[in-house]
Amino acid sequence: DARVTQTPRHKVTEMGQEVTMRCQPILGHNTVFWYRQTMMQGLELLAYFRNRAPLDDSGMPKDRFSAEMPDATLATLKIQPSEPRDSAVYFCASGLGRTNEKLFFGSGTQLSVL
Amino acid sequence: AQRVTQPEKLLSVFKGAPVELKCNYSYSGSPELFWYVQYSRQRLQLLLRHISRESIKGFTADLNKGETSFHLKKPFAQEEDSAMYYCALDANAGGTSYGKLTFGQGTILTVHP
Repeated sequence: DARVTQTPRHKVTEMGQEVTMRCQPILGHNTVFWYRQTMMQGLELLAYFRNRAPLDDSGMPKDRFSAEMPDATLATLKIQPSEPRDSAVYFCASGLGRTNEKLFFGSGTQLSVL
Repeated sequence: AQRVTQPEKLLSVFKGAPVELKCNYSYSGSPELFWYVQYSRQRLQLLLRHISRESIKGFTADLNKGETSFHLKKPFAQEEDSAMYYCALDANAGGTSYGKLTFGQGTILTVHP
């Protein structure tokens, strides 16, 4: 049963530290999405890639967030420096890149910035 | 720009009662609508999509373009339906959305015994 894998599952860090979250999409999927989940905003799209190329990262604070896909099996989301307001659950999802195709979500990284 | 609104953050019902989770959207084109569900300690997963006109686990949702709504309904709620529910929209702008979804704020449904 193919799954999207995210690491770490939990991360506790101090304000100002760099945080790196990783995602392994399902083999064969050509689109990768990063979402942030908070109680107030629900699921917000931060960035997404198609065939490893960034298509839209307008949802990310550019000064501190960066997203990359160094290869087809790895997507990363970095926060530097981290702030307490970044505390949330970050989800990665992958898909086949077509309308009406469902997205497959990872288990998420629960980030706490103290 | 598209937007999805779920007006209820929390919804509580008793087992056997009907349940309706509200979802409204704003989008000038022809949207594709979905409901995703996240059970406790599980991944977010697709529940149903409007184009399939399917009923999953007793849930149905009808797209009402006049009211720009896609409410999720079930006639008799079960305790195992307790979960977080997200309504989502694919803007499908000329086939270039690539599956990108805009989600609502989510509704936590609790079904009491």
